[in-house]
Amino acid sequence: DTGVSQDPRHKITKRGQNVTFRCDPISEHNRLYWYRQTLGQGPEFLTYFQNEAQLEKSRLLSDRFSAERPKGSFSTLEIQRTEQGDSAMYLCASSSTGNEQYFGPGTRLTVT
Amino acid sequence: GENVEQHPSTLSVQEGDSAVIKCTYSDSASNYFPWYKQELGKRPQLIIDIRSNVGEKKDQRIAVTLNKTAKHFSLHITETQPEDSAVYFCAASLPGGSEKLVFGKGTKLTVNP
Repeated sequence: DTGVSQDPRHKITKRGQNVTFRCDPISEHNRLYWYRQTLGQGPEFLTYFQNEAQLEKSRLLSDRFSAERPKGSFSTLEIQRTEQGDSAMYLCASSSTGNEQYFGPGTRLTVT
Repeated sequence: GENVEQHPSTLSVQEGDSAVIKCTYSDSASNYFPWYKQELGKRPQLIIDIRSNVGEKKDQRIAVTLNKTAKHFSLHITETQPEDSAVYFCAASLPGGSEKLVFGKGTKLTVNP
């Protein structure tokens, strides 16, 4: 598979639970981005990795959010103590140059 | 930080007509402007992009124009087809650092057969 993949595609959780999402970027893409998209809006930047280093985080990323990219390949995004406001589509994108970013299919999170 | 405004929010055209979507950006240092197409329930798909050293770029039925002085850029789709129906997002990126994309709010294009 040559595209960005994400798992799971859908997640329903109860408020207060922790959730973790995974992103597998395109092979050899050293840049990886997480975005969040709510209904009727464009994606909003959350965080950026170059190889294994997390180099930028948005103010949207509260202390309950943490992301890792341990070996510079796949990445995980964890949300602790989920809130209803966390319900959104979480998109991952990868790039070799920074400019051309290719998105995965997203993980749709519903917090009940 | 960068801010991107996109208009219109919805656009309905007849099959075969042209469609134009416009975006403005706030930071004159932005140098990369991609357009994404997102069908319902699908991932955003990069369809065309332009860099600040170019004024226009074409790819078959789609084209993008950039006016750096006015800080706006536009997507043009000619000979629209029903399969062009989707939400289109423009974005802008500053050079250096993460080169994260700042997106507009999207335009829902409907092409009526």
